[in-house]
Amino acid sequence: DQQVKQNSPSLSVQEGRISILNCDYTNSMFDYFLWYKKYPAEGPTFLISISSIKDKNEDGRFTVFLNKSAKHLSLHIVPSQPGDSAVYFCAASDPTNFGNEKLTFGTGTRLTIIP
Amino acid sequence: EAGVTQFPSHSVIEKGQTVTLRCDPISGHDNLYWYRRVMGKEIKFLLHFVKESKQDESGMPNNRFLAERTGGTYSTLKVQPAELEDSGVYFCASSRGGQGSGNTIYFGEGSWLTVV
Repeated sequence: DQQVKQNSPSLSVQEGRISILNCDYTNSMFDYFLWYKKYPAEGPTFLISISSIKDKNEDGRFTVFLNKSAKHLSLHIVPSQPGDSAVYFCAASDPTNFGNEKLTFGTGTRLTIIP
Repeated sequence: EAGVTQFPSHSVIEKGQTVTLRCDPISGHDNLYWYRRVMGKEIKFLLHFVKESKQDESGMPNNRFLAERTGGTYSTLKVQPAELEDSGVYFCASSRGGQGSGNTIYFGEGSWLTVV
């Protein structure tokens, strides 16, 4: 049962344009959401997060939007740069589950920025 | 500040053998997690330590997997005996103390395990 879904396995975007990565979740108890970026042969690197009490969080070129009613979040990267080419994982945590920060991950979206 | 470090980075063992993976979390991080990614699928939670105590081991696949964190510092994950389906990347992660959401979880580069 996939509680966090990233339905687009891959995405190609022209350099300088906006990249939009989407994520849907089914567990209404999730209250904290994170995006991780992963290069080949490396571990996931934290990118940006958002708490369920917010609907937007911005950090430089990266903005995460959360729509709780739709159980949907998205990551916007603008402008996209070649170094942004990586696999992006959406993750969520449910604090009622053993009261810890265990993350449930999506399957990832491979973003390719075309120069 | 050193990040989460894992050893070995790669390991190839035969079915039935034993492998022990080690993780050193970021200094001062009470929370330590093990995750696994198999065959390009999603990264799945295995277990969570708070200091030396197992807080949640609901993701451990079976009793061939044993994790320890003696003294609340580094952790080991032993697979004995290894099976073909255990092949994958094992990630360790850590975060600061305190329960509840909001603490960023930092990942190591992973230990790639191949069972042949």
